[in-house]
Amino acid sequence: DVQMTQSPSSLSASVGDRVTITCRASQGSGNWIAWYQQKPDKAPKPLIYAAASLESGVSSRFSGSASGTDFTLTISSLQPEDFATYYCQQYYSYPPTFGQGTRLEI
Amino acid sequence: QEQLVESGGGVVQPGRSLRLSCAASGFTFSSHGLHWVRQAPGKGLEWVAVISYDGNDKKYADSVQGRFTVSRDNSKNTLDLQMNSLTIEDTAVYYCARDWTLKGASIYYFDLWGRGTPVTVSS
Repeated sequence: DVQMTQSPSSLSASVGDRVTITCRASQGSGNWIAWYQQKPDKAPKPLIYAAASLESGVSSRFSGSASGTDFTLTISSLQPEDFATYYCQQYYSYPPTFGQGTRLEI
Repeated sequence: QEQLVESGGGVVQPGRSLRLSCAASGFTFSSHGLHWVRQAPGKGLEWVAVISYDGNDKKYADSVQGRFTVSRDNSKNTLDLQMNSLTIEDTAVYYCARDWTLKGASIYYFDLWGRGTPVTVSS
């Protein structure tokens, strides 16, 4: 299985900050990477698919990029509603696997 | 409004069985593959199973292979997960999730999620 190593595991930031979360895949190729946001006791919310495509209705302050086996989620200017846990997921190799999550705290 | 609503979770003893259901509305149910994804308390997300849009193709994570069975009823817009021989390690919130692809092979990108149903396996 492809291991997705996500970093950092937690992050403290302030409203207005620019934040970057990274996932490194253990193997494989392709940009079939998704990013999800999860708030406590809620379902994951899709943000980004195909590494850089924004889901409909998601704020443009979220963006994704890819470089080899490294994938990045960037939040350009943190808003209060952005404090949550973020997960990456690869879907270019079966079975699909997730990173362990990044908890973004105020 | 597109929606998935899970039900059937609860507390069950190790070795027993439980059946989860997921009711869909607001989209063409029979056009999408569907998945179960779980999240153990305080842990990350783990893909569990997929069923193709027509129900003909099913796949399972190694951790549940031979114990869990996924099924769907396209006439009722429902998805089920039969869980047998449950262990403590199966304790989790179980989400149903829709595959992005329309009437094709599932690509394992989950573009719509339910709110989840909790399963606790405990003696």
